[in-house]
Amino acid sequence: DAKTTQPTSMDCAEGRAANLPCNHSTISGNEYVYWYRQIHSQGPQYIIHGLKNNETNEMASLIITEDRKSSTLILPHATLRDTAVYYCIVRVDMYNNNDMRFGAGTRLTVKP
Amino acid sequence: SAVISQKPSRDICQRGTSLTIQCQVDSQVTMMFWYRQQPGQSLTLIATANQGSEATYESGFVIDKFPISRPNLTFSTLTVSNMSPEDSSIYLCSVAQGMLAKNIQYFGAGTRLSVL
Repeated sequence: DAKTTQPTSMDCAEGRAANLPCNHSTISGNEYVYWYRQIHSQGPQYIIHGLKNNETNEMASLIITEDRKSSTLILPHATLRDTAVYYCIVRVDMYNNNDMRFGAGTRLTVKP
Repeated sequence: SAVISQKPSRDICQRGTSLTIQCQVDSQVTMMFWYRQQPGQSLTLIATANQGSEATYESGFVIDKFPISRPNLTFSTLTVSNMSPEDSSIYLCSVAQGMLAKNIQYFGAGTRLSVL
């Protein structure tokens, strides 16, 4: 699976959009980009995933560059409850290869 | 999505003892996984719990230390054996509905273990 690089930490003002970048320059054509987050003292929570097209759900938007070497998770209106560690994970879509491998992630702090 | 219940939610144990952690899912799932999260660290996969066969362990984890059972499609246990303070971590159960990478993985709240 491709390696990902994320900033160690980021701050965001409450009510503003939080844009979390992820670099995955060695990604291959059949690798998905996943985003999870872990709020303090909880298990990781699935946010969104995509292959090549941009994706949006009720939680966030995922923007993947055309060359797929990087992506951005967007929380459109961050709240204090969005303070968490955000993990970007790239994974090959293969049979029996569906365990998530977590890196260090980005610690997002939403400030009032 | 799947609702995952882990028991106990936390425990404090003595060195040399063993603890069994239970993971119950509200629906049948194909894949179940166990992770460890050491203090201040990210998650590390311990093993994949296979129904009807032995678990598949990741490098650095062995069956004698972390025996796993998976008697059916909704339940699994992880035992932390002969514990030492280095085993103090959060242990998380995770499930996936299918065998492909595109299938979403869901996590329990974890078991916070402290070994004295």
